[in-house]
Amino acid sequence: AQRVTQPEKLLSVFKGAPVELKCNYSYSGSPELFWYVQYSRQRLQLLLRHISRESIKGFTADLNKGETSFHLKKPFAQEEDSAMYYCAAYSGGSNYKLTFGKGTLLTVNP
Amino acid sequence: GAGVSQSPRYKVAKRGQDVALRCDPISGHVSLFWYQQALGQGPEFLTYFQNEAQLDKSGLPSDRFFAERPEGSVSTLKIQRTQQEDSAVYLCASSSSAGGRYNEQFFGPGTRLTVL
Repeated sequence: AQRVTQPEKLLSVFKGAPVELKCNYSYSGSPELFWYVQYSRQRLQLLLRHISRESIKGFTADLNKGETSFHLKKPFAQEEDSAMYYCAAYSGGSNYKLTFGKGTLLTVNP
Repeated sequence: GAGVSQSPRYKVAKRGQDVALRCDPISGHVSLFWYQQALGQGPEFLTYFQNEAQLDKSGLPSDRFFAERPEGSVSTLKIQRTQQEDSAVYLCASSSSAGGRYNEQFFGPGTRLTVL
């Protein structure tokens, strides 16, 4: 079955520390991967997508096809990064069916 | 401009009642999606509309769930004879192009349904 896995439900780091949120996928073909973020009392929003290879708010994510991973990284975490993060993917044959992981709650402590 | 809006924001229903959840997508957006998000889970795809056509309803959990978008704008998700397992946040999203793969899906704030 096509699946997106986020192994950590909770992740806690101190301000200024590096952070890595893990995401693994099991898809045939070429998935397109995304990270969505939900800040407290706000709606779910797109953070970044692998195809654009961009850095948003200091976050980057690299698609590793060998390890089937798309981990989200930031070298120096800020308190405002505290949020729920979801990894998501479109399966190779679909342009509308987005599959989400269960999410990781990131807490950045002062 | 206004984003995706959903109403009501909160709904409490007694088991067996019918409920209707409304989604107002961003004006002009072709694609509309419904998701169900249970507590502690990520959103799960329910159904997809391209304009007024429902192209995929494979995620609807049972025949008690019905969605429509008759004029290609506002959409309604209806749940008949609600059960406790229907308790969840129902999210609506819209996208400017057909499908959402090449353009961002914009999410609404969700409707939290609690079935007693």
